[in-house]
Amino acid sequence: GQQLNQSPQSMFIQEGEDVSMNCTSSSIFNTWLWYKQEPGEGPVLLIALYKAGELTSNGRLTAQFGITRKDSFLNISASIPSDVGIYFCAGQLTGNQFYFGTGTSLTVIP
Amino acid sequence: DGGITQSPKYLFRKEGQNVTLSCEQNLNHDAMYWYRQDPGQGLRLIYYSQIVNDFQKGDIAEGYSVSREKKESFPLTVTSAQKNPTAFYLCASSDYWASYEQYFGPGTRLTVT
Repeated sequence: GQQLNQSPQSMFIQEGEDVSMNCTSSSIFNTWLWYKQEPGEGPVLLIALYKAGELTSNGRLTAQFGITRKDSFLNISASIPSDVGIYFCAGQLTGNQFYFGTGTSLTVIP
Repeated sequence: DGGITQSPKYLFRKEGQNVTLSCEQNLNHDAMYWYRQDPGQGLRLIYYSQIVNDFQKGDIAEGYSVSREKKESFPLTVTSAQKNPTAFYLCASSDYWASYEQYFGPGTRLTVT
C-alpha cells in the first residue's frame, strides 16, 4: 500500500501561534482529507477537499488541495490548548480506498 | 445516539491465542472497515466490507479474519498467525464503499505478550 509523508512529525507551539503542516505523496489523488485524532480515540474528519487548488476552511482550520494533486496543506490559526492531538491526512483516488499519512503530533503550550 | 462502538477498549492476550475484536454501528451504513494503527505510521487497511455478507482483503490482511453476517456488525479476529498483533485497531463505517465520510470508532488497544 501507499504511504503519505507528513511533516513535521511533531510540533510544540505556544498558545495563539499559527500552525502549518503538509502531506506529500508520490501518487496523484482526487480527494484529500484531514483528520484529527485525540489520544485513545478514533480520528474525526475535519476537512474534505475535492479539486486541485481548492482552499477550504472550517473555523480556524484551512486546508488546501495542492495543484500537483500530490500534496495537501493544513493551517491552524491562533492555536488553543484543545487543538492538541495528531493530525492525519488521507488521499483517495475516486472509488478506491483511502491511504493515510504518518501523522503530525501537535502540542500546544498554554 | 448514532455511532460506532468497539469493545473492549483494552485487550490483553497471550501469544498463540486468537482474539476477536468487536465493532458495531447503528448508522445504517453499508460499508465497514478495519484499520491498524502503529506508532509513527498512518492507518493501514486490514479488511473492508462493502455490503453485508461480503468482505475483501486490504493491504495487510495476513493473520486476520473477518465476518459480516449482519449489517451492523463487523468483528475482526486476530489469529495466532499474525506476527506482530500488538497495535491499536480502529473500525470505521461509511454510507457506501470509499465514501469520504468515514466514521471511526474509539478503537481497541490489543497487547499480546
